[in-house]
Amino acid sequence: AQSVTQLGSHVSVSEGALVLLRCNYSSSVPPYLFWYVQYPNQGLQLLLKYTSAATLVKGINGFEAEFKKSETSFHLTKPSAHMSDAAEYFCAAENTGFQKLVFGTGTRLLVSP
Amino acid sequence: KAGVTQTPRYLIKTRGQQVTLSCSPISGHRSVSWYQQTPGQGLQFLFEYFSETQRNKGNFPGRFSGRQFSNSRSEMNVSTLELGDSALYLCASSLGTGRVQETQYFGPGTRLLVL
Repeated sequence: AQSVTQLGSHVSVSEGALVLLRCNYSSSVPPYLFWYVQYPNQGLQLLLKYTSAATLVKGINGFEAEFKKSETSFHLTKPSAHMSDAAEYFCAAENTGFQKLVFGTGTRLLVSP
Repeated sequence: KAGVTQTPRYLIKTRGQQVTLSCSPISGHRSVSWYQQTPGQGLQFLFEYFSETQRNKGNFPGRFSGRQFSNSRSEMNVSTLELGDSALYLCASSLGTGRVQETQYFGPGTRLLVL
């Protein structure tokens, strides 16, 4: 069965520093991959998604992710963190066609001034 | 275009009661999926409805059920509530084309507290 692993339940960065959130998937068949962000007391907002068109995917709010099949990874990055980036980030995979997303456990990003 | 709406936003119930949550998808979306989010188990898929039919189901007991109406609005019901059912219930809608890369758009969720 498909599974998604997010390394680090919490990541702390300073404002202006590089953000790197890690995501690995387990599947012999690469799934379609998504990054969602969740702000307190809100639902999930799509940041970006990988659909095999390009390995480097650019999303909203300056985030991007690179799909690396050899490493079964889809890490999320942002060159310069902003205070407003503080939230929980979820990596998800889908390969069934039935809208059944499999989520990682989430990484809470903390941004300090 | 209005986003996914869920009602109510907050709910408090006691053990043994039942509860019904509602979800209105984005206009034109025909697929509605439900997820449960808890601190211990994270985000877990409950079920997906398309054209009033359940297309896929997660690993939840039969106390969890749902339905979809002809206007694509969906409801989920939890009977005989247990303390462990306390969670944020998220609804997501998508076009429902069956393409694996289809984006799901999430509502704000209904937070259920079972006492």
